[in-house]
Amino acid sequence: GAVVSQHPSWVICKSGTSVKIECRSLDFQATTMFWYRQFPKQSLMLMATSNEGSKATYEQGVEKDKFLINHASLTLSTLTVTSAHPEDSSFYICSAIDSGGGTDTQYFGPGTRLTVL
Amino acid sequence: QKEVEQNSGPLSVPEGAIASLNCTYSDRGSQSFFWYRQYSGKSPELIMFIYSNGDKEDGRFTAQLNKASQYVSLLIRDSQPSDSATYLCAVAEGGTSYGKLTFGQGTILTVHP
Repeated sequence: GAVVSQHPSWVICKSGTSVKIECRSLDFQATTMFWYRQFPKQSLMLMATSNEGSKATYEQGVEKDKFLINHASLTLSTLTVTSAHPEDSSFYICSAIDSGGGTDTQYFGPGTRLTVL
Repeated sequence: QKEVEQNSGPLSVPEGAIASLNCTYSDRGSQSFFWYRQYSGKSPELIMFIYSNGDKEDGRFTAQLNKASQYVSLLIRDSQPSDSATYLCAVAEGGTSYGKLTFGQGTILTVHP
């Protein structure tokens, strides 16, 4: 149980293009999902909290117009990196809380490695 | 600003030994504490969570929480080379920031045969 998937697992794109990353909770419903970014040899940095049916809450310093988050259903959240640049190259990881699980445990997806050329 | 501190290591232990990983946190109101393991190039996987003071055991893993000292630890008994990874301590906020985690920088553990 508590499986979270991400698609794609890796993506290479040209500078200036947009990339969409999907995060799905496969066997549970998730009112709340989180998006993280991790640079090499660093810990996870929370980018935003995604709440089903409402606007995402972004962490300080994260551009909401650049990193568009949509949480249209209880099992799917998407992160779109708009006009990507090489400095956006990173490992993007989502997580989800099981709404019916009774705890605030986050289950992580396998991550998406983005490389912007 | 909420902070979670871990010794970045690397911590090196021989196979079969006990590995002890430590973490301190700054927010006295924190309620939930998690240990995640992360292999290189992979996403974190949950090892244990603990909410109450004291010890919580799960197989070879024991989490210890001391809220008065704002300290949480993870013990790995009979360490195996496959336990070599980065271990992340995470502390959850409550209230309107329900579930939001603050991560420590991680401790690199190496178990050598």
